[in-house]
Amino acid sequence: KAGVTQTPRYLIKTRGQQVTLSCSPISGHRSVSWYQQTPGQGLQFLFEYFSETQRNKGNFPGRFSGRQFSNSRSEMNVSTLELGDSALYLCASSLVGQETDTQYFGPGTRLTVL
Amino acid sequence: LAKTTQPISMDSYEGQEVNITCSHNNIATNDYITWYQQFPSQGPRFIIQGYKTKVTNEVASLFIPADRKSSTLSLPRVSLSDTAVYYCLVGTPSYNTDKLIFGTGTRLQVFP
Repeated sequence: KAGVTQTPRYLIKTRGQQVTLSCSPISGHRSVSWYQQTPGQGLQFLFEYFSETQRNKGNFPGRFSGRQFSNSRSEMNVSTLELGDSALYLCASSLVGQETDTQYFGPGTRLTVL
Repeated sequence: LAKTTQPISMDSYEGQEVNITCSHNNIATNDYITWYQQFPSQGPRFIIQGYKTKVTNEVASLFIPADRKSSTLSLPRVSLSDTAVYYCLVGTPSYNTDKLIFGTGTRLQVFP
């Protein structure tokens, strides 16, 4: 079974631009979560989608948004990029999104904001 | 909300057994304990999960005492490829994934 895939793997943007990241979960997984990882803050939860609905949301500003499609694929968007948005963005999928579900992480998208 | 405390870093040598302890004093009755491993520039990878006593799989063992206020991940005979960050999480069979906190993890360095 194919793992979680994320595209693109690397991205360089400038301040003020917007960016869209894509995540394809493992086949059959209906929950997709997004995380931001930085050296200073560690791994922080952004949001979780299940059945095309945002079910959980972390403490991030409204510039961070996402959506999920009927095939469970998910995208996240960051508008008006700031230097502090430079990070590794990780997507994780799980069967139904319970806290105890094993989360399968993708390789991440490394975003650099100049 | 059950928070976890782990050592920031640990060093070991190849072939040794490594035990990483996680404290979770406020663990709830329904909470499970899960460990993940992360290599640089990769997403975390599930290692093991348990509720009480001992769980063993092909890569690790998880020891949980009766009071469940701590847990110990045991890696037998580590190799250089076990150098990574290890995260301990506690969570319930609920859908409140915004409550899951990875914390800072334990950075394990294995030397030859």
